[in-house]
Amino acid sequence: GAGVSQSPRYKVAKRGQDVALRCDPISGHVSLFWYQQALGQGPEFLTYFQNEAQLDKSGLPSDRFFAERPEGSVSTLKIQRTQQEDSAVYLCASSLVPTSGSGMSQETQYFGPGTRLLVL
Amino acid sequence: DQQVKQNSPSLSVQEGRISILNCDYTNSMFDYFLWYKKYPAEGPTFLISISSIKDKNEDGRFTVFLNKSAKHLSLHIVPSQPGDSAVYFCAARGNNDMRFGAGTRLTVKP
Repeated sequence: GAGVSQSPRYKVAKRGQDVALRCDPISGHVSLFWYQQALGQGPEFLTYFQNEAQLDKSGLPSDRFFAERPEGSVSTLKIQRTQQEDSAVYLCASSLVPTSGSGMSQETQYFGPGTRLLVL
Repeated sequence: DQQVKQNSPSLSVQEGRISILNCDYTNSMFDYFLWYKKYPAEGPTFLISISSIKDKNEDGRFTVFLNKSAKHLSLHIVPSQPGDSAVYFCAARGNNDMRFGAGTRLTVKP
């Protein structure tokens, strides 16, 4: 009964460096979400996958951010040429079924522990 | 645009008393609302939810109330316990994403 796992838990990067953050969702979960949480704020949506398809990337702050989920399970969030404003906790969440607007309990999102990124 | 607001950044309550956490939202298209609890260095943990077709959902010590006309929801914890001390996030589900409030830090004093 493993939950959502993320790695690394902490990452320190020099400005301009590329980083890759990994998310292992709960097995069998169709939907996968990435969020960015700045200090003192709630999580902010970045992108959403249904299986391997990236259905919504409207929250990605710039073209330096790229996410993929090639086999519909593990996902990677890549940030190119990191900037200091990218410093945040990056949270991954998964849910059993796709979001449908019906308010089904199976659409509840389960979060990983997050990756804390610090860009110096 | 902050579509979900938690106007109280912190709340302190005595053990055994009721904790009431409040949340306001602006988007009338939100159809599903959730409360998450977060401990330090951990991801948010789902606590309780409510569909927009209901006005109350209860689970043990936790009850969520939804007032659609006021675009307001609240989480009641009774009786409060020291282990309830955490940051509580209100969230509202839109199309593909969830919008979160900034969180309320609850401290339950023994």
